[in-house]
Amino acid sequence: KNQVEQSPQSLIILEGKNCTLQCNYTVSPFSNLRWYKQDTGRGPVSLTIMTFSENTKSNGRYTATLDADTKQSSLHITASQLSDSASYICVVSDRGSTLGRLYFGRGTQLTVWP
Amino acid sequence: EADIYQTPRYLVIGTGKKITLECSQTMGHDKMYWYQQDPGMELHLIHYSYGVNSTEKGDLSSESTVSRIRTEHFPLTLESARPSHTSQYLCASDDIKGGEAFFGQGTRLTVV
Repeated sequence: KNQVEQSPQSLIILEGKNCTLQCNYTVSPFSNLRWYKQDTGRGPVSLTIMTFSENTKSNGRYTATLDADTKQSSLHITASQLSDSASYICVVSDRGSTLGRLYFGRGTQLTVWP
Repeated sequence: EADIYQTPRYLVIGTGKKITLECSQTMGHDKMYWYQQDPGMELHLIHYSYGVNSTEKGDLSSESTVSRIRTEHFPLTLESARPSHTSQYLCASDDIKGGEAFFGQGTRLTVV
């Protein structure tokens, strides 16, 4: 069964600290992996998208890694800010058909305290 | 910023009413999706479309229906709203090549 598991479920850190969020997936065949940030009551916004051949990708203070062999990904946030408080969702796309589909994790709820 | 729009943003409606949630995108994407999301929970796919006149049901059973008469427009309709339909509904689109998916801001529906 195609699944996406994220950990931790929730995380509280102090402003300025770093943190790492984890994503494990069983989706096959794999097409790409995306990290989204979702503020409360809003739609998800894309942070990074990585294909099979990409090991790491950065977007400002966000750095995502991908190990396609172990089917694991991480999202590292550097020097956290209060505005980073949000849910971070890992999404994996398959290529089981020519059109593919998306599988969503439950998200990690990050809270940054001053 | 993504060119995908949902209206209304918030809706409170009585039980038994018929409602239509609107979703439009100006990116020319063929693929469009409707997701349902309860607070603190993951997104569940309820409908998707691969193009005009193509609609499919998703993983989560839903009493809603959709239509895709034009590429840019993917409305979702509830014929008779019930309190169990209270949730956030998110519309998304991406291109055939499976690139980045863009999400609308969502419609927060409350059925009383």
